[in-house]
Amino acid sequence: NAGVTQTPKFRILKIGQSMTLQCTQDMNHNYMYWYRQDPGMGLKLIYYSVGAGITDKGEVPNGYNVSRSTTEDFPLRLELAAPSQTSVYFCASGARNTGELFFGEGSRLTVL
Amino acid sequence: KQEVTQIPAALSVPEGENLVLNCSFTDSAIYNLQWFRQDPGKGLTSLLLIQSSQREQTSGRLNASLDKSSGRSTLYIAASQPGDSATYLCAVRPGETSGSRLTFGEGTQLTVNP
Repeated sequence: NAGVTQTPKFRILKIGQSMTLQCTQDMNHNYMYWYRQDPGMGLKLIYYSVGAGITDKGEVPNGYNVSRSTTEDFPLRLELAAPSQTSVYFCASGARNTGELFFGEGSRLTVL
Repeated sequence: KQEVTQIPAALSVPEGENLVLNCSFTDSAIYNLQWFRQDPGKGLTSLLLIQSSQREQTSGRLNASLDKSSGRSTLYIAASQPGDSATYLCAVRPGETSGSRLTFGEGTQLTVNP
């Protein structure tokens, strides 16, 4: 049972480049989330989705985009990368019946 | 706006000690509360989930309690071991649905010394 899988695990970007962080879950969860965690800081919600075709902004959505075309996948797109986007990004999925949240291992992004 | 506070921010104990981590939240209208563990450089691992109608949950040496009226939850770790060293986070899901957004505390960094 893979759970929540994120790729890549590490990535270095140059300022202005774009990339997509991939997230897939195999638990048939309705809810999916993207968080970022800066060193020594708490988790901040970027975007979330309550089901395929439905997405909404979290606390810090600027500079990011998401899509949810299937239940399993929830990619996060970074456009015009900036040093402020250097962070660890976590994808999570939630069970509709209990609301329990499960996290991926994270994607560490550095923008230089 | 829901705010979640975890005290202490860091805790260092000798191996074998029983310990309590605290989590407080400002709005008692919650759907559930979840405790996580995060090891350095890793993702969050779910430890215990307490629904709003429950008072406590247990898993092995871990026991989490919930007192909605006072806005508090505690995570009790019995007979601590060096392998318990990690950051522990609590997260509160507000409102009446399982899809509402969680609010996380800043975490308690626990070190268990051999």
